[in-house]
Amino acid sequence: KQEVTQIPAALSVPEGENLVLNCSFTDSAIYNLQWFRQDPGKGLTSLLLIQSSQREQTSGRLNASLDKSSGRSTLYIAASQPGDSATYLCAVGGGNTPLVFGKGTRLSVIA
Amino acid sequence: GAGVSQTPSNKVTEKGKYVELRCDPISGHTALYWYRQSLGQGPEFLIYFQGTGAADDSGLPNDRFFAVRPEGSVSTLKIQRTERGDSAVYLCASSTRGAGEAFFGQGTRLTVV
Repeated sequence: KQEVTQIPAALSVPEGENLVLNCSFTDSAIYNLQWFRQDPGKGLTSLLLIQSSQREQTSGRLNASLDKSSGRSTLYIAASQPGDSATYLCAVGGGNTPLVFGKGTRLSVIA
Repeated sequence: GAGVSQTPSNKVTEKGKYVELRCDPISGHTALYWYRQSLGQGPEFLIYFQGTGAADDSGLPNDRFFAVRPEGSVSTLKIQRTERGDSAVYLCASSTRGAGEAFFGQGTRLTVV
């Protein structure tokens, strides 16, 4: 059974810092990995999707990497801003099986 | 609409009552998923549709939970004899195919009192 772990559970940084969020998964036979953002009381917003054949994806200040063999992904956020404060969720998909989520990392960026 | 739409956004019901939650996916998306999220937890899978049929319903917690998607578009999650433990945010997502990029709705917050 696929299990997804996200470390740290919570993170507080001053504005402007670069930061890394970590995601690990137990079964490397994944089809893709997706990073989401969730604001309090809201649904999930897709940030980046990495197919299993890819090593990384970039969107603006966000960069996500995938190392399938070691079961790890990282989300790098450059020059953090208070508006980046949210919970970040990692999820892995196995083809025709649904996404399995971690518990998320709650990020606070302090002005 | 442009995104996944879920109604109602909030639902308060009494213990033992029946509730229906609706999901309107992105037009043309064949895959539809229901998840449940409790406070401080990641979304937990409930059921996955490919077209009209349930491809995987292994996440439904018990037989009080049922979902349909009769025409391969809108889906309804039905909960019978609600219990206080059913209180959570119910999220719906759709994608162009199984394992494509998933897009989520804003969720329905269900409170059973």
